[in-house]
Amino acid sequence: TQLLEQSPQFLSIQEGENLTVYCNSSSVFSSLQWYRQEPGEGPVLLVTVVTGGEVKKLKRLTFQFGDARKDSSLHITAAQPGDTGLYLCAGPPPGGGTSYGKLTFGQGTILTVHP
Amino acid sequence: GAVVSQHPSWVICKSGTSVKIECRSLDFQATTMFWYRQFPKQSLMLMATSNEGSKATYEQGVEKDKFLINHASLTLSTLTVTSAHPEDSSFYICSASWAGNPYEQYFGPGTRLTVT
Repeated sequence: TQLLEQSPQFLSIQEGENLTVYCNSSSVFSSLQWYRQEPGEGPVLLVTVVTGGEVKKLKRLTFQFGDARKDSSLHITAAQPGDTGLYLCAGPPPGGGTSYGKLTFGQGTILTVHP
Repeated sequence: GAVVSQHPSWVICKSGTSVKIECRSLDFQATTMFWYRQFPKQSLMLMATSNEGSKATYEQGVEKDKFLINHASLTLSTLTVTSAHPEDSSFYICSASWAGNPYEQYFGPGTRLTVT
């Protein structure tokens, strides 16, 4: 069972278009993170959202944490070819315990932006 | 800040041999390091968690005798794939976190292992 469900799994768009990637769960998360990974490299942390309803902006990227802290979204405005990559949401598994420090990841969204 | 390196970035080895991958935190002390495996176009699969000076905790289904993890210092963890087989070929990624924010992990660039 996947704790974090990401959608869509694949997204292929033209340069200049807007897009939104969703990360949903039936569980409450204390925080959620978004990573971007390029082929052959490790994931790079983009943002951490902690407070329900929080909105964070990183240039053309807007991240939102749901009010109930069960979901998050990543919106990219005017996508560019350089945005191409695998986007991952992740968060500490609810319940803690032996999972201290671990992250659970969504399945990922492969974004391709065509020039 | 928060830079993690991995060495080697890629390695090709023959079936039956062992391969060691190093993961270093370059500018912070990593109280915990994680080892992941990733298949093409898929998400990360956690293999094990290691705390400095302690035995690693392996995820269900990961053979601890095959994937030996050592976390001897606050800046270095190693993963040794013993008696490698072609099915062990994969992209291995480590990450590190520090006590001040245990859930914020910083990832290495990954190691591509090919077993022939």
